[in-house]
Formats: sequence, C-alpha cells, structure tokens
Amino acid sequence: GQQLNQSPQSMFIQEGEDVSMNCTSSSIFNTWLWYKQEPGEGPVLLIALYKAGELTSNGRLTAQFGITRKDSFLNISASIPSDVGIYFCAGPIQGAQKLVFGQGTRLTINP
Amino acid sequence: SAVISQKPSRDICQRGTSLTIQCQVDSQVTMMFWYRQQPGQSLTLIATANQGSEATYESGFVIDKFPISRPNLTFSTLTVSNMSPEDSSIYLCSVEGATGATEAFFGQGTRLTVV
Repeated sequence: GQQLNQSPQSMFIQEGEDVSMNCTSSSIFNTWLWYKQEPGEGPVLLIALYKAGELTSNGRLTAQFGITRKDSFLNISASIPSDVGIYFCAGPIQGAQKLVFGQGTRLTINP
Repeated sequence: SAVISQKPSRDICQRGTSLTIQCQVDSQVTMMFWYRQQPGQSLTLIATANQGSEATYESGFVIDKFPISRPNLTFSTLTVSNMSPEDSSIYLCSVEGATGATEAFFGQGTRLTVV
C-alpha cells in the first residue's frame, strides 16, 4: 500500500535555528498535508498542498509539493519554543478519502 | 474547520472491560474517521464511519473488537471491547474538510490506559 517515509525521526535544535524535514513516497500523491501534534492534543493542520511544485507559507512555516509528486518538505524558520511538537506529513490514499501518515518528526528546542 | 469534541479525554480501564468513546462535531459531515496512535507512534486508521451504513474497517481491525456507531451526521462512537494492555493508545476522531477537500481535522483524542 501507499506509505510515507518521514525524516528525520527527531531533531534537537537551538532556539532561533531553521528546521527542515521531509516526506517521501514510492507512490504519487495528489495532496500533501502537514500536521503538528502537541502533547495531549490531536494533530492540527498546518499546511495543505494540492499542486506539484506548489510552495505555500503559513507564517514561519513553508512547505513544498515536490515536482515528482512523491515528496514534500516542511521548513520552519527562526524556531521558537512553541514550535516543539511532533510534525506529521500525510496524504490521501488513491481513490479514497482516507489519509496515510508519515512516522512523524519530533522537534525539541533548547532555549 | 469543524470543532470536534471527544469524550472522555482520558481513562484508565481494567483489562477485559470495554470503553466507548464519543465524538461530537459542530457541523454535519458525511465522513468520520477513527484513528489509533500507539505510544510514540504515528496515526493508523481504524475505520471510516458513514451515517446510515456499517463502518468500513482497515486491515487488522475488526468490528467485534472496535464496534462503531454513526447515528447521525454530527456524532459517532468507537467502542474498544474486551481491552488488554496492548489497547493502551490515543484514539482520535477525525472528520473530512470541506466537501471535496482531502484534509482532515481532529479531535483532541482519548488517551486510554489499560491495566
């Protein structure tokens, strides 16, 4: 089935640093979604990408839909303590409304 | 986006018992989804619940273990039956985005611990 491989699994950075994480698949996705999950909460949608090559920003977050439609990346610029959490990529399984999720990237920030 | 409320937010249950988790949405939605998130893991879809029909279960999940109700377009329940410690997870309710959109929105989850 369609799977998403997310890397890195975890990141430990200093406050103020930029962050980059990516998601790849052997299958084509028509939509890429990026979520953030904080402890005790459900995932919250950060950015949705619908077109190959699309580059979309949401504040300090920027995400791109890869040209091959098999990858996507998420960048966070000038990280702050509230960026701590687990970031998941997700995409719809072909022909269905349901989503498959990557393994997540756990972001830890040292003040 | 829809506002999704899940109850309970957490529970500690004895093995062999069952727990029913409720999911209430503030608007009518066609599709509702139930996910499991095991400790330190990603989200895995359990089933899709449509109003007026039986839920559709993913591979590895069965109705006897995870019965689902969907009595109307704003409410669903997931029951975790005959629980064992391996069922300790976060269970998440999700709804589709706007009609035709593929993004999903989540409740805050139910953290279940089975002892």
